[in-house]
Amino acid sequence: AQKVTQAQTEISVVEKEDVTLDCVYETRDTTYYLFWYKQPPSGELVFLIRRNSFDEQNEISGRYSWNFQKSTSSFNFTITASQVVDSAVYFCALFDSGAGSYQLTFGKGTKLSVIP
Amino acid sequence: EAGVTQSPTHLIKTRGQQVTLRCSPISGHTSVYWYQQALGLGLQFLLWYDEGEERNRGNFPPRFSGRQFPNYSSELNVNALELEDSALYLCASSLERGGGNEQFFGPGTRLTVL
Repeated sequence: AQKVTQAQTEISVVEKEDVTLDCVYETRDTTYYLFWYKQPPSGELVFLIRRNSFDEQNEISGRYSWNFQKSTSSFNFTITASQVVDSAVYFCALFDSGAGSYQLTFGKGTKLSVIP
Repeated sequence: EAGVTQSPTHLIKTRGQQVTLRCSPISGHTSVYWYQQALGLGLQFLLWYDEGEERNRGNFPPRFSGRQFPNYSSELNVNALELEDSALYLCASSLERGGGNEQFFGPGTRLTVL
């Protein structure tokens, strides 16, 4: 069965610090997709990135970067020079079609607080 | 382009009542997913509809049901409400069935059961 673990429940950093959010996943499928979503206090989940299991290239988008390592089943997310607007709950999610499930399995989320 | 919309925004019901939540997907999206986000339980998959049919459901009792209309909008029905049904219900849509296409979420409906 698929599983996503976000071991960090809450993280607090001071503005301009870098922060890495960890995500470890489990799946038996060879084809799967990994996602990161941001949930600000308003509640709406905002899509950040999708990565498929065949593409291990790291990705950078502005202050955001993602490190995908199949060898350790990890898909970590780093925010560089954090800002107060980055304060939110961040969810890592796994999509696979094992047993025809076709569903997103979410981690419990990491609440990030950026202190000015 | 309009995003996923959900109605109502907030809802207060009493135990034993029934509730219907509504979701309109992004134009062109055929798949609709429902998730429950209850305090302390994280985001849990409820139901997936595609092309008008229920394709998969999560580990929820049968009193959670729904449907998808020809215009791809969807309803989630919850019968015989229980206190633990209090949660944020999120709807998401994607372009195609499964395939790992990113799911875009609506703002959610916050249900409170008293």
